[in-house]
Amino acid sequence: QTVVTQEPSFSVSPGGTVTLTCGLSSGSVSTSYYPSWYQQTPGQAPRTLMYSTNTRSSGVPDRFSGSILGNKAALTITGAQADDESDYYCVLYMGSGISVFGGGTKLTVL
Amino acid sequence: EVQLVQSGAEVKKPGESLKISCKGSGYSFTSYWIGWVRQMPGKGLEWMGIIYPGDSDTRYSPSFQGQVTISADKSISTAYLQWSSLKASDTAMYYCARRDGYNGYFDYWGQGTLVTVSS
Repeated sequence: QTVVTQEPSFSVSPGGTVTLTCGLSSGSVSTSYYPSWYQQTPGQAPRTLMYSTNTRSSGVPDRFSGSILGNKAALTITGAQADDESDYYCVLYMGSGISVFGGGTKLTVL
Repeated sequence: EVQLVQSGAEVKKPGESLKISCKGSGYSFTSYWIGWVRQMPGKGLEWMGIIYPGDSDTRYSPSFQGQVTISADKSISTAYLQWSSLKASDTAMYYCARRDGYNGYFDYWGQGTLVTVSS
């Protein structure tokens, strides 16, 4: 079974820029995988950030952006803020209606 | 306003059965897929499966096929996740979410249902 890979953890300084990635254990991610991104803070339900690679969900600030970088999907946060400290998950569509979550990235802002 | 409201926390013993629910409102329930997501304590999100309430078409992640059953009652705009024989390893938070399209993303989320299985 294909595994969706994410960095386990990342750190960014307040005001800095960070790019989180979402890859495949075998193969390259393209727009055909319809990458989406979710943010989750402890004790809360996930919040949808991005879908179809680079479309921001309603209410998501434009400092969040999505793209394909090389062979991975990417979520870039520009001008990181303290309340961006969260877990971030990507989802890739695998076909036949099935999608898979990545393992998640714990982002620290300090 | 789109809302997904899940049933309350459950405490069960191993071997018992359980059915948790997710009631949708504020949109056409039969026109969107509903999915279920597991989060074990301290762990990440896991995609379990989806159902299209309009015709009950259901798709399962291979990891969850045969382990749970997803169903829906469109007459009351409610989706379900059920177990016939719970294990301690089923202890987790379970989220339902609305899916935008067959290959789409989850756009609205329920608040989660905590299931605890312990003898």
